[in-house]
Amino acid sequence: DTGVSQDPRHKITKRGQNVTFRCDPISEHNRLYWYRQTLGQGPEFLTYFQNEAQLEKSRLLSDRFSAERPKGSFSTLEIQRTEQGDSAMYLCASSHDRGTTNEKLFFGSGTQLSVL
Amino acid sequence: GQNIDQPTEMTATEGAIVQINCTYQTSGFNGLFWYQQHAGEAPTFLSYNVLDGLEEKGRFSSFLSRSKGYSYLLLKELQMKDSASYLCAVPTDSWGKLQFGAGTQVVVTP
Repeated sequence: DTGVSQDPRHKITKRGQNVTFRCDPISEHNRLYWYRQTLGQGPEFLTYFQNEAQLEKSRLLSDRFSAERPKGSFSTLEIQRTEQGDSAMYLCASSHDRGTTNEKLFFGSGTQLSVL
Repeated sequence: GQNIDQPTEMTATEGAIVQINCTYQTSGFNGLFWYQQHAGEAPTFLSYNVLDGLEEKGRFSSFLSRSKGYSYLLLKELQMKDSASYLCAVPTDSWGKLQFGAGTQVVVTP
């Protein structure tokens, strides 16, 4: 178990540019989540996948955001035409769906995005 | 919808006890989680309560009262490494889709 890994750890970009983040979940986990966290706040849910199917997207996720999970393994989150308000920590988490209420999430260390 | 409140910051000395309170309002209840997050690092799972009462796990304990919409995380024998943000969270309509509080920053002083 190598944990959830995210790449890159830090990304600095100029307003208007596109960025893409990658998440590699724990290998046997079939659920994958994206959260966003700003300074002094808790993580906010963005979207999640069950295997390769994207089952839910938050209203926070504008049309500029798109997430994929081809083959149900790693996932990518792309932000197009970045805005300064997109600056945040983007956290990925995974879990194994056992159909129980105590499904705990294993988080990656996140990608810190700064939009200049 | 969900509304979760917890204090912004608490300070305590090494070896002491600190209690972090969390109140929540939910349209349905499916348990409550506590996560720990050190600065710049991933949140890590601490505890899960779905029934009323106290769950003890080493130096950390978590309490839940469903009728009062209230939980607390108790940290005993504080160590410097316990300085972190502690996040209270409740599941929404899907497991793993959590509503987090803003977190309580615990500062442990020598």
